[in-house]
Amino acid sequence: RKEVEQDPGPFNVPEGATVAFNCTYSNSASQSFFWYRQDCRKEPKLLMSVYSSGNEDGRFTAQLNRASQYISLLIRDSKLSDSATYLCLGGIWAAGNKLTFGGGTRVLVKP
Amino acid sequence: AAGVIQSPRHLIKEKRETATLKCYPIPRHDTVYWYQQGPGQDPQFLISFYEKMQSDKGSIPDRFSAQQFSDYHSELNMSSLELGDSALYFCASSYLAGDTGELFFGEGSRLTVL
Repeated sequence: RKEVEQDPGPFNVPEGATVAFNCTYSNSASQSFFWYRQDCRKEPKLLMSVYSSGNEDGRFTAQLNRASQYISLLIRDSKLSDSATYLCLGGIWAAGNKLTFGGGTRVLVKP
Repeated sequence: AAGVIQSPRHLIKEKRETATLKCYPIPRHDTVYWYQQGPGQDPQFLISFYEKMQSDKGSIPDRFSAQQFSDYHSELNMSSLELGDSALYFCASSYLAGDTGELFFGEGSRLTVL
């Protein structure tokens, strides 16, 4: 089993709609999680860190569910420019420890 | 603001040749990570360094080696290149003492092995 897993999608989303997807992790000791956005052939760009109490940044909301070992990302009022692959990154944060990406979730926002 | 700088951006090599990729982290960042992303795949962790010492190792082939220098830049050396080494190689840096330790990625080095 992969350490971090995501539904690859694609999630086809009408413009203006809300979309949410999860990322599961297998190591219960993991405590650092991030959501990244990656556009085709470009570097992953940090979208937001995931805090244990949940956090929101504009139209984006991230949640952490430790009991079920998953994090989630919700995008409200989807824009065409939100079309991208969303990668979760997780692991045990300490002095350069390995942080593992999930396989990515592809989101396609359509007019 | 300064970002992670990687060079070269593109590299074409023949099988069995050697390649070296360089990474200059964001100033003050103390940790460097290397990831390899093949076509249609997510980035795979190769190796990381904290304060110039190797910190963790992932699926890095024995033909590859890396180090972090006194100025914190890092180099990934790849020898006896194989066709399957063709990929996008990302370097990321972070600051351990920062709030949440986010990784910031460079634009990547695209290696093509012919």
